[in-house]
Amino acid sequence: SQKIEQNSEALNIQEGKTATLTCNYTNYSPAYLQWYRQDPGRGPVFLLLIRENEKEKRKERLKVTFDTTLKQSLFHITASQPADSATYLCALDSDSGYALNFGKGTSLLVTP
Amino acid sequence: DGGITQSPKYLFRKEGQNVTLSCEQNLNHDAMYWYRQDPGQGLRLIYYSQIVNDFQKGDIAEGYSVSREKKESFPLTVTSAQKNPTAFYLCATDPGTQVGGQYFGPGTRLTVT
Repeated sequence: SQKIEQNSEALNIQEGKTATLTCNYTNYSPAYLQWYRQDPGRGPVFLLLIRENEKEKRKERLKVTFDTTLKQSLFHITASQPADSATYLCALDSDSGYALNFGKGTSLLVTP
Repeated sequence: DGGITQSPKYLFRKEGQNVTLSCEQNLNHDAMYWYRQDPGQGLRLIYYSQIVNDFQKGDIAEGYSVSREKKESFPLTVTSAQKNPTAFYLCATDPGTQVGGQYFGPGTRLTVT
């Protein structure tokens, strides 16, 4: 069955460092992969989309890589700030081509 | 939250009662989705609709029903047949361009006792 795995353990890092979050998937051949940020009690907010033929994408302090051979995406936040503390979800397009399948998310805590 | 309204933010119901969660959007997006999120869990798809008067079941549709009579509105009814209805419910829309992601509403936290 299709599976999306994100680190269930929270990631704690110091302000200014680079945070790296991982999204692994199995039994998938996604056309694209998305990353979202979710704050407690709120809906997710879209951050970045990367297609299967793109190896890397950047947006301000965010960088996403997509390795379809390893079936893995890495999400980096450089020069992290306490305001970056949130849960980060990865999502892949489903077989229907319309809906998304989401991972469980990884909680990031950036301490001053 | 960008143009998607979910009301109310908190909803309490007694077991055995049906309850309808509202989702309204002014983004002019064709596609709308309902997800359920439980503590420490990812989002699970309940129903989605690509166009007015059409909708499809997601992964966990049992115990839920929807309607899509207007482009702007996609209400979700949690019926008494849903065994564990207490959860955080999220409505989302999609512009269908596949260059961006989904837009989510603020969510409704439903508690059934």
